[in-house]
Amino acid sequence: AQTVTQSQPEMSVQEAETVTLSCTYDTSESDYYLFWYKQPPSRQMILVIRQEAYKQQNATENRFSVNFQKAAKSFSLKISDSQLGDAAMYFCALRGNQFYFGTGTSLTVIP
Amino acid sequence: NAGVMQNPRHLVRRRGQEARLRCSPMKGHSHVYWYRQLPEEGLKFMVYLQKENIIDESGMPKERFSAEFPKEGPSILRIQQVVRGDSAAYFCASSPESRGLIDGYTFGSGTRLTVV
Repeated sequence: AQTVTQSQPEMSVQEAETVTLSCTYDTSESDYYLFWYKQPPSRQMILVIRQEAYKQQNATENRFSVNFQKAAKSFSLKISDSQLGDAAMYFCALRGNQFYFGTGTSLTVIP
Repeated sequence: NAGVMQNPRHLVRRRGQEARLRCSPMKGHSHVYWYRQLPEEGLKFMVYLQKENIIDESGMPKERFSAEFPKEGPSILRIQQVVRGDSAAYFCASSPESRGLIDGYTFGSGTRLTVV
């Protein structure tokens, strides 16, 4: 069975500060990918960042970076210099044969 | 290059009616996936289709739900005799291939179904 767990239903961060969203997963597959998606109120699912499981180097996309700990099956998302537009639901996802999503973390950015 | 188009954006049905949700994949994409998002939950896989074929329907409820992706036209997710528990956001995603892609799917904006 493959599962994705996000243990923080809600998080908040001051504008310009840094926040880390947690995600753990479980899979028996050796070849998989990990993703973070952002879902603003418009409901559109927007790909934020992705990580190949076979790569040890943590992925980075501008202000977004991940801390991928394969042995611990942990895949956290760090948002630096938070902006008001970062406010959204964030979903961690594991892709094997299909996508498995966590239950999401609602991020509030405080001006 | 239009993204994944879903319509309608909002759909209200009375209990017992049928709901039809449409999804047009991105140009060049031949694989379509349907996901359901219940309130306060993440997206749950329902079905994976290629043109004229259902590849994986392991997430589909056994009754009342069906999906198709005809040779011509959009993919349709059909829910017969809707009940209140069917109220959710239904997302469609598409990809040019099914496996081995690092790219995530391209998602549509979803259809919010409300059963009254």
